Amino acid sequence: ETGVTQSPTHLIKTRGQQVTLRCSSQSGHNTVSWYQQALGQGPQFIFQYYREEENGRGNFPPRFSGLQFPNYSSELNVNALELDDSALYLCASSNAAYGYTFGSGTRLTVV
Amino acid sequence: DQQVKQNSPSLSVQEGRISILNCDYTNSMFDYFLWYKKYPAEGPTFLISISSIKDKNEDGRFTVFLNKSAKHLSLHIVPSQPGDSAVYFCAASADSGGTSYGKLTFGQGTILTVHP
Repeated sequence: ETGVTQSPTHLIKTRGQQVTLRCSSQSGHNTVSWYQQALGQGPQFIFQYYREEENGRGNFPPRFSGLQFPNYSSELNVNALELDDSALYLCASSNAAYGYTFGSGTRLTVV
Repeated sequence: DQQVKQNSPSLSVQEGRISILNCDYTNSMFDYFLWYKKYPAEGPTFLISISSIKDKNEDGRFTVFLNKSAKHLSLHIVPSQPGDSAVYFCAASADSGGTSYGKLTFGQGTILTVHP
């Protein structure tokens, strides 16, 4: 059973640019959630996808968007990057039980 | 507003002793609580959870206690081991059965250091 894989592991972008982060969910998991973890803080819920549909969203602006594909992998897209978007972005997958499996995250730095 | 709070940024414990990590919440709709452990450069790893219908759940060295009236939960690690040194997050969910259970609200984390 493979775990949750995120790519890339590190990324540096310039303010105003766009970025796409990718997540391959654990085999058999049909739900994917994305979290943003700023330095010294706990992860904050961005949104969740269940069977390719957005199933809830946290307090993030529309420039944060996502997709889930038929194989349940997912993308997080962020447009018009701001310096405050610098954070660790975590993807977590599950298949209808508590105890999500988290990936190791993508460290995004906006300069 | 911080609906889940871990008021101790760090905790230092001697190997073999008990570690007690605390978490407070404000949202009465939370009905499921989880603890995660995180090492640097890794994602959070699920440790233990508790439903609001229980007041205690035990798994090996880890026990979680829930006091609903006080809106407080705690994680006890006995005995503590140096390998337990990590950041510990408590998290809460307001949906105990649907597909939205993935909406976890996390605390800020507590850095646990266990000294040999």
